[in-house]
Amino acid sequence: EAQVTQNPRYLITVTGKKLTVTCSQNMNHEYMSWYRQDPGLGLRQIYYSMNVEVTDKGDVPEGYKVSRKEKRNFPLILESPSPNQTSLYFCASSFIFGSGANVLTFGAGSRLTVL
Amino acid sequence: AQSVTQLGSHVSVSEGALVLLRCNYSSSVPPYLFWYVQYPNQGLQLLLKYTTGATLVKGINGFEAEFKKSETSFHLTKPSAHMSDAAEYFCAVRAIIQGAQKLVFGQGTRLTINP
Repeated sequence: EAQVTQNPRYLITVTGKKLTVTCSQNMNHEYMSWYRQDPGLGLRQIYYSMNVEVTDKGDVPEGYKVSRKEKRNFPLILESPSPNQTSLYFCASSFIFGSGANVLTFGAGSRLTVL
Repeated sequence: AQSVTQLGSHVSVSEGALVLLRCNYSSSVPPYLFWYVQYPNQGLQLLLKYTTGATLVKGINGFEAEFKKSETSFHLTKPSAHMSDAAEYFCAVRAIIQGAQKLVFGQGTRLTINP
């Protein structure tokens, strides 16, 4: 089944404790992206990647890191989480050419709470 | 710059009534427009998209949207609401930023269906 898989789905952590949210897709998509969803603010892009070893900042990159060493994986790293990073996070992917371009497939979401 | 405005953060309709969710966009390039739906505790999934061609676009679950260039709108409609339509709906427009294509999302409209 074509899908984007995120882990963990739920996480409670404490301020300053490094964490990684993994994201993997099995559709051979070039484009991958991380979003955070907060009430009243919709979806805001954190980072995105157009292909392996190519990453770029989105609208709210502060406090986050990403890497794209393999086409299928795009982990989100919070080096020193803070309470304002408590949010619902989504990974998404798509092709960048053809009829599938911009048609994002989303993961199920990772709800992160930073105490 | 490309942007999306969804009018009404909450919409409530009775079961069997018309659903109308409003979306206006701004775009300096020919717009590609999308509607995504998010059911409770799930990721977003594509409802429908407009790229070129016919301005009335049909999507899944009986939804459709009409691209109106003169009004810069892409409103989502469904003739008869069903309880299962209760969800959050996001309008999005393709943006081209520094040569890269990405989606810019509206803030979302939560649709409630009353029995």
